[in-house]
Amino acid sequence: DAKTTQPPSMDCAEGRAANLPCNHSTISGNEYVYWYRQIHSQGPQYIIHGLKNNETNEMASLIITEDRKSSTLILPHATLRDTAVYYCIVRARNAGGTSYGKLTFGQGTILTVHP
Amino acid sequence: KAGVTQTPRYLIKTRGQQVTLSCSPISGHRSVSWYQQTPGQGLQFLFEYFSETQRNKGNFPGRFSGRQFSNSRSEMNVSTLELGDSALYLCASSLGASSAYEQYFGPGTRLTVT
Repeated sequence: DAKTTQPPSMDCAEGRAANLPCNHSTISGNEYVYWYRQIHSQGPQYIIHGLKNNETNEMASLIITEDRKSSTLILPHATLRDTAVYYCIVRARNAGGTSYGKLTFGQGTILTVHP
Repeated sequence: KAGVTQTPRYLIKTRGQQVTLSCSPISGHRSVSWYQQTPGQGLQFLFEYFSETQRNKGNFPGRFSGRQFSNSRSEMNVSTLELGDSALYLCASSLGASSAYEQYFGPGTRLTVT
């Protein structure tokens, strides 16, 4: 799976949009970009994923650059409850191979939302 | 729909003992993965099961094992516990074993080895 690079920490004011960047310059065409977050001592929570196109759901939007070498997770109106560690993960798409299905977590970005 | 459940939530064991942790996936999900989380190593993949077969295994010693039952429920076992096995053990389920399917995590089992 391609390696990802994320800033170690970010701050955001409550009510403002939080834009979390992720660099995955070695991503290949068959790899998905996934985002998870983990609030202290809880299990990671799935947020969103995409392959090429931008994606949006009730939690967030995912913007993937045209060359797919980087992406941005957008939380449109951050709240205090969005304070968490955010993980950007690249997963191989095709079945088979040793990376089949598994998630490889890096250090993530600690997002702190301030009142 | 109920989420992923893990039992027990907390466990204290002594070095040398063995432990079995249980995971019930979301209804209809056939794939179960296990992860270990420690402050030093972060979140690490242990193994993945689909249709009662282990499909993938992480870089852990043979003391760590698992299995999946016909109803998709899964158990993991750690034998001859070491102090370093103290961790949060997380189970995740997904519809299938492909990376196209998102994994949903349970709350975890906090294991303390003394």
